[in-house]
Amino acid sequence: QVQLQESGPGLVKPSETLSLNCTVSGGSINSGTYYWAWIRQPPGKGLEWIGSFYHSGSTYYNPSLKSRVTISTDTSKNQFSLKMTSVTAADTAFYYCARLGMIRGAFKAFDYWGQGALATVSP
Amino acid sequence: DIVMTQSPDSLAVSLGERATINCKSSQTVLYRSNNKNYLAWYQQKPGQPPKLLIYWASTRESGVPDRFSGSGSGTDFTLTISSLQAEDVAVYYCQQFYTIPLTFGGGTKVEI
Repeated sequence: QVQLQESGPGLVKPSETLSLNCTVSGGSINSGTYYWAWIRQPPGKGLEWIGSFYHSGSTYYNPSLKSRVTISTDTSKNQFSLKMTSVTAADTAFYYCARLGMIRGAFKAFDYWGQGALATVSP
Repeated sequence: DIVMTQSPDSLAVSLGERATINCKSSQTVLYRSNNKNYLAWYQQKPGQPPKLLIYWASTRESGVPDRFSGSGSGTDFTLTISSLQAEDVAVYYCQQFYTIPLTFGGGTKVEI
């Protein structure tokens, strides 16, 4: 059973960098069968895709966030990370990591999610 | 960007009755090369991450009760709960995978 777990500081000051990790168990982020992603949700609001990566090194970002976001991987820890620079209160949200499943080369959906980590931007 | 518009924003349904949620995309999400609609439905309960219900517009995820069904193609999609149960109270989201940025609908809150 695949499990994802987010971790990182819950409180970030405005203008600083938000850093989160996602540790994956029960499956390898190097698997060619899946993409992996970060998604966020401001409290009480809807979902926003931040970005995704594939084991080959291909990374895709939401254009609305691309200038501030970097997704990287640590395959030795089976972990991937999110860094978001110059944060403001608008970046306060639950941040989820998720697996984007594929079946026979066709995107399926986000089939496994972490429980989410609340990151609050406040002085 | 593909804009996903859900309706209604919320609905109240009696136990055992049918609930219908609509999702419209601003452009097609039908991938011609494999004839698949890159459209998924999720259920989110308070304090929990979203849970995948339906992918490719109409394929039920393993373990999802068969009272949940998805239909539609191209730009217009529907999630139906055939007989609402108390545990189905949640917010439901549609999402497209056709193109980047991947986008979600605004959500539909289902209540008893």
